[in-house]
Amino acid sequence: DVKVTQSSRYLVKRTGEKVFLECVQDMDHENMFWYRQDPGLGLRLIYFSYDVKMKEKGDIPEGYSVSREKKERFSLILESASTNQTSMYLCASRQVGLITYEQYFGPGTRLTVT
Amino acid sequence: LAKTTQPISMDSYEGQEVNITCSHNNIATNDYITWYQQFPSQGPRFIIQGYKTKVTNEVASLFIPADRKSSTLSLPRVSLSDTAVYYCLVGRRYNFNKFYFGSGTKLNVKP
Repeated sequence: DVKVTQSSRYLVKRTGEKVFLECVQDMDHENMFWYRQDPGLGLRLIYFSYDVKMKEKGDIPEGYSVSREKKERFSLILESASTNQTSMYLCASRQVGLITYEQYFGPGTRLTVT
Repeated sequence: LAKTTQPISMDSYEGQEVNITCSHNNIATNDYITWYQQFPSQGPRFIIQGYKTKVTNEVASLFIPADRKSSTLSLPRVSLSDTAVYYCLVGRRYNFNKFYFGSGTKLNVKP
């Protein structure tokens, strides 16, 4: 089974702090994604990565950056956390070469910025 | 990408068949339809995808009429463990990395 793990289930940070969210997948998938999920808004794509060191902005990249130095690891960085970044953050991975929209999601990190 | 419209919530009882319909009036010729399931405190999980007519797997069936402006996810004989949010998504055929997650349908299965 594909396993996607996220470094924390719950995180509380202060406004202005730099925040790192880590995601690791164990299935050698090329594609990795970061989403945020908010009530009434569904999941929204922040960034995704085609492969190591390759990234592309999603629908809401403002205030975020990403890093992918190794294939299995994809990091989301909040340069200066703000209260409007309080949300559930979900990481996912996908295998290329298949005609499928199947992404494998991690359990999520609930981030609270105070 | 075509936006999707689903009922906000549905109730059912154990053992019943549940059909959740999704509207996607602006679906394009190359778009695929995909359904995900999400339990509380977990990430979404892929259930099924299709392009036209009917697709069935061990978990669910997906019915897509000829005009493809809607689709129906069918869950046979639901149990309490099927209580979850179900998302209908539309994705472009040659871009498997981008699709639109709506707000989903909260299915509540009662004993």
